[in-house]
Amino acid sequence: GNSVTQMEGPVTLSEEAFLTINCTYTATGYPSLFWYVQYPGEGLQLLLKATKADDKGSNKGFEATYRKETTSFHLEKGSVQVSDSAVYFCALKGPSSNTGKLIFGQGTTLQVKP
Amino acid sequence: GAVVSQHPSWVICKSGTSVKIECRSLDFQATTMFWYRQFPKQSLMLMATSNEGSKATYEQGVEKDKFLINHASLTLSTLTVTSAHPEDSSFYICSSSGGSSYEQYFGPGTRLTVT
Repeated sequence: GNSVTQMEGPVTLSEEAFLTINCTYTATGYPSLFWYVQYPGEGLQLLLKATKADDKGSNKGFEATYRKETTSFHLEKGSVQVSDSAVYFCALKGPSSNTGKLIFGQGTTLQVKP
Repeated sequence: GAVVSQHPSWVICKSGTSVKIECRSLDFQATTMFWYRQFPKQSLMLMATSNEGSKATYEQGVEKDKFLINHASLTLSTLTVTSAHPEDSSFYICSSSGGSSYEQYFGPGTRLTVT
């Protein structure tokens, strides 16, 4: 079945450091891939997405490229800020899904220190 | 993006009572709504998928008689936790989707504490 695996956290960085959060997936066909962010005590917000191979999703300085050959969708940011501290979830939607059901990774906590 | 609200944002109830959580899609018609449960520092667990006007589809291991879901309109779905117990304490999150993109828009969540 479809699944998503993220690197374990927490990830602790200093402000302005480079961020990578790894995400790999298992799916048949070409799923759509997403990154969601959850700030403390809040629901999830869509950060970025990619719907086909080699697409790059980007938003608020974050980027992720859909790599079919490595089945990956790693999240990157060149210079993190304290306000980026949150939990990040990688997710996929199967190509055959007619309901939009998402499969989430376990989440990675990012802590950015001033 | 679309706005989804949840009410209440937090609730404390006594063991054995029932609690209803509302999920509203404020600015679009949600043909499908999802209910998730999130334990502390863990990922979201899909509980059920509901389509407007039809019965919800529950994930394996989720008791449909305990977690009653109603999706009576395109803008409102409710989750009722019946005969709540302390182990039902959790963060419950809904999401809505509609149209051809199937993108999900998440509510802010409801923290339930059962004493």
